[in-house]
Amino acid sequence: QVQLVQSGAEVKKPGASVKVSCKASGYTFTGYYMHWVRQAPGQGLEWMGWINPNSGGTNYAQKFQGWVTMTRDTSISTAYMELSRLRSDDTAVYYCARAMVRGVSPFDPWGQGTLVTVSS
Amino acid sequence: EIVLTQSPGTLSLSPGERATLSCRASQSVSSSYLAWYQQKPGQAPRLLIYGASSRATGIPDRFSGSGSGTDFTLTISRLEPEDFAVYYCQQYGSSPRTFGPGTKVDIK
Repeated sequence: QVQLVQSGAEVKKPGASVKVSCKASGYTFTGYYMHWVRQAPGQGLEWMGWINPNSGGTNYAQKFQGWVTMTRDTSISTAYMELSRLRSDDTAVYYCARAMVRGVSPFDPWGQGTLVTVSS
Repeated sequence: EIVLTQSPGTLSLSPGERATLSCRASQSVSSSYLAWYQQKPGQAPRLLIYGASSRATGIPDRFSGSGSGTDFTLTISRLEPEDFAVYYCQQYGSSPRTFGPGTKVDIK
C-alpha cells in the first residue's frame, strides 16, 4: 500500500535550519508530485509548496520563497523539506502529502507528520 | 489567491444527526477542484471528498459533497461517534493551494 513515513521530531534554536524527510513506498516515487503542508499548534493547515520528484522542479508558496528548499533523492524514494532561519512561530507539525493522481489533484495519502519545535 | 471561508466554526450535534458544513471561496474554483479532509486529534488529515462530490477510496457513503463555483457543502447524513473531528475544505485548482480554517464537529 502507498505509505509516507516521515522523520522524527526536532527541537531547534531560533535562526537554525531543519530538514524533514518523507520516505515513500508502495508506488513509483517519480510519478506523483509531493506537497508539504504545516500546521501550527491548534491552528489550520498551511500549504508550503510542491516538488516534482521526477524533474526536481519545485513550486513554493510566496510566503516561503527564499526560505524553504524542497529536494528529493530518487534512489531512496525520499523527499525532503528544509526550512532555514527558523523562528518561534515556525513551531508546527510538518506533513508531506502525495498528489492523489497525476495532474491537478488533491492530497492523498499524508505522512504521519513531524513536529518541529523552535525554542531558545 | 483563493481564500476559503468555512461555516460554522463549530457544530455541536448528537450521534445520528445530520451535519451540514459550508465552504465558500473568494472566487470561482476551477473545474470544481474542491476537496474535503477530516482531521482527528494527533492524526494527519484524511481525504474524504475530491472534485467537490467524489468520495475518496474507503469513505462511507454517509459522507457526500456538493456545490460548484464559489459555494460548496459537505454533508454527513447520520453522524457516527468516529465522525466527531475537524473538517477542512481545500481548493487545489490554482496556486497557491489553499485551505479553509476548518469546522469542528463536536458532540452535543
